[in-house]
Amino acid sequence: SQQGEEDPQALSIQEGENATMNCSYKTSINNLQWYRQNSGRGLVHLILIRSNEREKHSGRLRVTLDTSKKSSSLLITASRAADTASYFCATDAGWGSNYKLTFGKGTLLTVNP
Amino acid sequence: DARVTQTPRHKVTEMGQEVTMRCQPILGHNTVFWYRQTMMQGLELLAYFRNRAPLDDSGMPKDRFSAETPDATLATLKIQPSEPRDSAVYFCASGLVVRVGFEVDGYTFGSGTRLTVV
Repeated sequence: SQQGEEDPQALSIQEGENATMNCSYKTSINNLQWYRQNSGRGLVHLILIRSNEREKHSGRLRVTLDTSKKSSSLLITASRAADTASYFCATDAGWGSNYKLTFGKGTLLTVNP
Repeated sequence: DARVTQTPRHKVTEMGQEVTMRCQPILGHNTVFWYRQTMMQGLELLAYFRNRAPLDDSGMPKDRFSAETPDATLATLKIQPSEPRDSAVYFCASGLVVRVGFEVDGYTFGSGTRLTVV
């Protein structure tokens, strides 16, 4: 069963706006990763945040992790049409699960020009 | 940029036939995952290996699926016999884990094999 659940399932915004996607998970984690998937393509790793980190930045991406709430958020600032894709969070649940990496069902982001 | 190569990209086969999907991980990566993606189920973890040893294949229907890493440059996923419900996109991903529980970074995915079983 999937560990992470993204919210919302779909998000439509205008170019230049910020996009925020959330991920909730059930059990403790070793790290949490965000991936992007363009239609018909493989997944591309965006950012990894470890369980002892609270925030991480990469270019226009900002990821936060709240282990007390078992949740993470991905913020894309100044969105572009090229950011249109599905975004997935993946959790590495650590020793108890033999470091399995499991994915949520994703958020479909549409950025309108 | 280093890439994970999956072959074939597309496969159409008849029910009951054997299907073999191949993956060439990035040189130096020691961890390989196999996932299956469908609209209904999303991304399902089938099996994964570290240093060529299987760590978990509990997501795989054992009666028909098998996964192996014959050498450091190749991972294979076989389905025998194939069924229409196996139709999906199968992804391989590789990454580097330097010690237990510590990935250096995220995983690199291949472009997938789109399998259609008729």
